[in-house]
Amino acid sequence: DTGVSQDPRHKITKRGQNVTFRCDPISEHNRLYWYRQTLGQGPEFLTYFQNEAQLEKSRLLSDRFSAERPKGSFSTLEIQRTEQGDSAMYLCASSLEGYTEAFFGQGTRLTVV
Amino acid sequence: EDQVTQSPEALRLQEGESSSLNCSYTVSGLRGLFWYRQDPGKGPEFLFTLYSAGEEKEKERLKATLTKKESFLHITAPKPEDSATYLCAVPHSGTYKYIFGTGTRLKVLA
Repeated sequence: DTGVSQDPRHKITKRGQNVTFRCDPISEHNRLYWYRQTLGQGPEFLTYFQNEAQLEKSRLLSDRFSAERPKGSFSTLEIQRTEQGDSAMYLCASSLEGYTEAFFGQGTRLTVV
Repeated sequence: EDQVTQSPEALRLQEGESSSLNCSYTVSGLRGLFWYRQDPGKGPEFLFTLYSAGEEKEKERLKATLTKKESFLHITAPKPEDSATYLCAVPHSGTYKYIFGTGTRLKVLA
């Protein structure tokens, strides 16, 4: 297993367009997390899944954001009607159950122009 | 409210000059504290997990320690390749999401 994989690594989109990112977690991990990070800040929690169930979603997250993990394996994060403020690094992480370390992918850098 | 605070925000060291980074936390019942290293433009790389006050973990020039209120990441005789942002995180009370600090940006000069 090569770790957590994210695709694409970079995305430039025009304001108002929809974008979708994909995350493939470590195969035996049943927890999957999405975080967002802007320059000079720590990762900010967006949402997480236990298998295919979305267990928590940040209250700060706009309705334009949606995430799925249809078969408990890979996950997608969609942002509709992108805004310039959505420009950030979107990070995916996975972990085993319990309070254990999460392993991150390399992230998707989104730039909204 | 659960909170993680890291200090200093930035640190410049000469090669070989040892120092410590601080991570203080406020959570209801600590269920682990995690240290990560992050290089520019990349995702965080896991370093250590600490669960109990008094616990210590070491890896090469890094040693992480934990008390009931804070954690330290000690860097002994750092090299330029240790330059990175170091992040700490704790699980939020009652859930499995992780709360991150804003990190310490370390620069080690040759």
